Amino acid sequence: KNEVEQSPQNLTAQEGEFITINCSYSVGISALHWLQQHPGGGIVSLFMLSSGKKKHGRLIATINIQEKHSSLHITASHPRDSAVYICAVTPAEYGNKLVFGAGTILRVKS
Amino acid sequence: NAGVMQNPRHLVRRRGQEARLRCSPMKGHSHVYWYRQLPEEGLKFMVYLQKENIIDESGMPKERFSAEFPKEGPSILRIQQVVRGDSAAYFCASSPQSGANVLTFGAGSRLTVL
Repeated sequence: KNEVEQSPQNLTAQEGEFITINCSYSVGISALHWLQQHPGGGIVSLFMLSSGKKKHGRLIATINIQEKHSSLHITASHPRDSAVYICAVTPAEYGNKLVFGAGTILRVKS
Repeated sequence: NAGVMQNPRHLVRRRGQEARLRCSPMKGHSHVYWYRQLPEEGLKFMVYLQKENIIDESGMPKERFSAEFPKEGPSILRIQQVVRGDSAAYFCASSPQSGANVLTFGAGSRLTVL
């Protein structure tokens, strides 16, 4: 079992829909990261969380430390949101590297 | 501030050749991380370096792979005697300090081994 599990693996949404991507992890962490990767492109850090909730534009990230679970929400989705969204954790035990989930492939249709 | 610069963006090598991938961290960042993304797989940590020091290389293959971050110049990931299985995207990230930080990623170097 991977230390970081994401769901769903693939997600297709209609423009304007509210989207949720989930991430569960099995190790103690000092932080959780949400990353975005466009096809053939680089990786952009969206959020780093250690507790609570963060919001940036149409993106919202939440984390529940007790349940070892995080969600990434996209409100009013748009085709330009189509990308791979990756959850990654900084394990508390060795805080200098990220452990990644497999990613969620999101496609938003117009 | 040019961000994290990686070059080359694309590199093609024949089996047995050497591949050198370079990473210049963001200005003011002294911590560099290398990650590999194999085709159809997730990202995996390879190595964490500070200037002139390898801090954690637990993700590096035992043979043919090496990394350095000299006092002057970029960090270099070197792959000797490349094999087809080395074909992947190699991402560099940097941070201003160790521990849990927002990482800034480069655009990646895509290595194809023929």
